[in-house]
Amino acid sequence: QQQVKQSPQSLIVQKGGISIINCAYENTAFDYFPWYQQFPGKGPALLIAIRPDVSEKKEGRFTISFNKSAKQFSLHIMDSQPGDSATYFCAARRWGEETSGSRLTFGEGTQLTVNP
Amino acid sequence: DAMVIQNPRYQVTQFGKPVTLSCSQTLNHNVMYWYQQKSSQAPKLLFHYYDKDFNNEADTPDNFQSRRPNTSFCFLDIRSPGLGDAAMYLCATTRGPGYGYTFGSGTRLTVV
Repeated sequence: QQQVKQSPQSLIVQKGGISIINCAYENTAFDYFPWYQQFPGKGPALLIAIRPDVSEKKEGRFTISFNKSAKQFSLHIMDSQPGDSATYFCAARRWGEETSGSRLTFGEGTQLTVNP
Repeated sequence: DAMVIQNPRYQVTQFGKPVTLSCSQTLNHNVMYWYQQKSSQAPKLLFHYYDKDFNNEADTPDNFQSRRPNTSFCFLDIRSPGLGDAAMYLCATTRGPGYGYTFGSGTRLTVV
């Protein structure tokens, strides 16, 4: 059962534009929502993460918006650059409880291409 | 400074020939994970260790085994690789509750 749904599957943006990737989750026990950036041939790297006690978190050009009632969260990349071209994964996890039930659940991934 | 190190980066093995992938970490993290990632797909959890406690995912094939001899090292053994096991294998660690994951760069496994 896919518990985190991500869209779009691929995204093409012009340099300087805004990239927006959306995720929706089903499990209300999730309370930690990270975004990972993955370049070809590399492992995923944590980009930014949010907990549901805030509706927005910003780090540089990257912003997570979180809507707890809708069970949705999104990644916004402002002033997108060609170097941002990568695959982005949203994920969810039950925070603070390391049991067999609280591993990261990943979305399907979004391949972002930023054209120069 | 590399923190989660996977070796080798690329591994070619023959169909049915056992292969071992390794992961080491310099972070002294309690929890280690093995993920399988196929092309254009999300990482899929195979198993994880919380300290020495081993947790196997229900749908992880019996062909996959893991060992964690100490905090720093974790191994993934594939007893009889099939063509469908060709993938990127990712190791990740976390200190435990309240902390994010750190991934290694992965091992790309090819089965011929």
